[in-house]
Amino acid sequence: QQQVKQSPQSLIVQKGGISIINCAYENTAFDYFPWYQQFPGKGPALLIAIRPDVSEKKEGRFTISFNKSAKQFSLHIMDSQPGDSATYFCAASKNSNSGYALNFGKGTSLLVTP
Amino acid sequence: DSGVTQTPKHLITATGQRVTLRCSPRSGDLSVYWYQQSLDQGLQFLIQYYNGEERAKGNILERFSAQQFPDLHSELNLSSLELGDSALYFCASRPYPNTGELFFGEGSRLTVL
Repeated sequence: QQQVKQSPQSLIVQKGGISIINCAYENTAFDYFPWYQQFPGKGPALLIAIRPDVSEKKEGRFTISFNKSAKQFSLHIMDSQPGDSATYFCAASKNSNSGYALNFGKGTSLLVTP
Repeated sequence: DSGVTQTPKHLITATGQRVTLRCSPRSGDLSVYWYQQSLDQGLQFLIQYYNGEERAKGNILERFSAQQFPDLHSELNLSSLELGDSALYFCASRPYPNTGELFFGEGSRLTVL
């Protein structure tokens, strides 16, 4: 049972465009929502994360939008660059300060064309 | 470099065999998590250890087992291997105090023929 549902499965964006990846969750106990970026041959690495007390978090070209009532959150990549081409995973966990495992979405393969 | 070390990077074996994957967490990290990554299932949580003790189990098969040793390195044992066990196996560690972030190794790619 996938606790975090992610879409789309793959995405092609032109350089300079906006990449948008969406995730939805069911467990209202989740209180930590990170996005991980994975390049081929590497392990996932934390990109940006948000907690439900805010609706948006921005770090450089990357923004998380969070909608608690809809139980959805999304990653926006502004001015997408070819170097952003990677697989992106959303995740969620509950009681994150207690060390619960992250529940990951199935991933989105992003290709940014020149 | 995340600081998490996994060996071997690649492993090819036959059905019915047993393999052991090894993970060394970042220096000072007490928590270790094992994940399985396959194309159709994404990253699936298998098991978590904290300072040598099992803390949580996810979708781990009975044929699989793990342990964390006093020096905090961890091993994932996969036995009676089946074709469907072919996947990338990731180890991750979590710092203390806990920030929520997991630091992943580069994975061990297992191919079962």
